[in-house]
Amino acid sequence: GAGVSQTPSNKVTEKGKYVELRCDPISGHTALYWYRQSLGQGPEFLIYFQGTGAADDSGLPNDRFFAVRPEGSVSTLKIQRTERGDSAVYLCASSLYPGVLNGYTFGSGTRLTVV
Amino acid sequence: ELKVEQNPLFLSMQEGKNYTIYCNYSTTSDRLYWYRQDPGKSLESLFVLLSNGAVKQEGRLMASLDTKARLSTLHITAAVHDLSATYFCAVDMGSGTYKYIFGTGTRLKVLA
Repeated sequence: GAGVSQTPSNKVTEKGKYVELRCDPISGHTALYWYRQSLGQGPEFLIYFQGTGAADDSGLPNDRFFAVRPEGSVSTLKIQRTERGDSAVYLCASSLYPGVLNGYTFGSGTRLTVV
Repeated sequence: ELKVEQNPLFLSMQEGKNYTIYCNYSTTSDRLYWYRQDPGKSLESLFVLLSNGAVKQEGRLMASLDTKARLSTLHITAAVHDLSATYFCAVDMGSGTYKYIFGTGTRLKVLA
């Protein structure tokens, strides 16, 4: 696609529920990144994929968070037993390859609200 | 741990005025990015700075990088209302980590 697409754009869920957030990167981009942006803060790194594998998941806050990219394109961020503190905008970005010098292209994000 | 600090956090300025936003970071890096974010929108890439002394300009915005001082600046010349947004700097941690560490952002409001 022309840009990084994220769905849904907004998600409201009840505390304790499971959610999935989807990211469709730019076609041909091998690297995909997930960031989380809390209100009034800068984005914080969660995980990045090179192809199908999670090359660095050091930013995932705990084991309730998991992400997959089974075919090396679309990625899904999964959050189990959601908590109110998980409320944030989840941003996805992609690049042709990791560390590309001209930076990453970000999607519009999924705003997650846990009530 | 790499830390990135921006100041000011909030900036309200009159149209036509000049101002500078500062981005300090705590460890060595030679890749720094500036992004713009409008309310409810994603991050738009503004500048990529890849070496000491790099200077990039686009319209009323100019960004520079001093890797020795671990400092980047984003200078606004003759501000206009359309520049109102939040501006983030992001530092590439390098060493093959491919993570960006973002500053807390500077919320700019240009008053007509």
